[in-house]
Amino acid sequence: AQSVTQLDSHVSVSEGTPVLLRCNYSSSYSPSLFWYVQHPNKGLQLLLKYTSAATLVKGINGFEAEFKKSETSFHLTKPSAHMSDAAEYFCAPSNDYKLSFGAGTTVTVRA
Amino acid sequence: DGGITQSPKYLFRKEGQNVTLSCEQNLNHDAMYWYRQDPGQGLRLIYYSQIVNDFQKGDIAEGYSVSREKKESFPLTVTSAQKNPTAFYLCASSITGTGGARYGYTFGSGTRLTVV
Repeated sequence: AQSVTQLDSHVSVSEGTPVLLRCNYSSSYSPSLFWYVQHPNKGLQLLLKYTSAATLVKGINGFEAEFKKSETSFHLTKPSAHMSDAAEYFCAPSNDYKLSFGAGTTVTVRA
Repeated sequence: DGGITQSPKYLFRKEGQNVTLSCEQNLNHDAMYWYRQDPGQGLRLIYYSQIVNDFQKGDIAEGYSVSREKKESFPLTVTSAQKNPTAFYLCASSITGTGGARYGYTFGSGTRLTVV
């Protein structure tokens, strides 16, 4: 069985400052891990994925995430937030058959 | 371009009616999934199918039904037994049923269903 916890339901940052979205998972084995972004009334878009290669994963739009097995974490970061980063973000571990989604973190970006 | 098409984008249902949401993909993916999204609850799995003519219940299958007669298509019917159907519904696919979820999903753009 696997589960996922996104530690912040809402994150607010100023444009140009760093963004940190936290995700912890539990699994009986090392899963694949994903971060997705969703803009209002849209589907989910893949930001990045970890599939047991390098522990630091780079994604689209300047996002990256680090897999830490000892902490069972996969936190998402971006050094400098842009207004277009305002959206909802989902962390999702997978087993062979399906992904499990966290409750989501809503990011707002202040000008 | 390959992708997943969900239709309609907005759908209104009267009390006691069944409605069917369409999901079509041209990615040649074996596995397809239906999720329901409510504010603050993330995505909850309704049904999934790893191969044609086979599907399994997810976490919240009550009041829903599906079919998988073709690889490209995975329609979802919201029946009158679903007491609170107002939500955003997302369809997704992955490259193959066994192990394929490790490659991630491709999502459609969603259907917003409202009961009137």
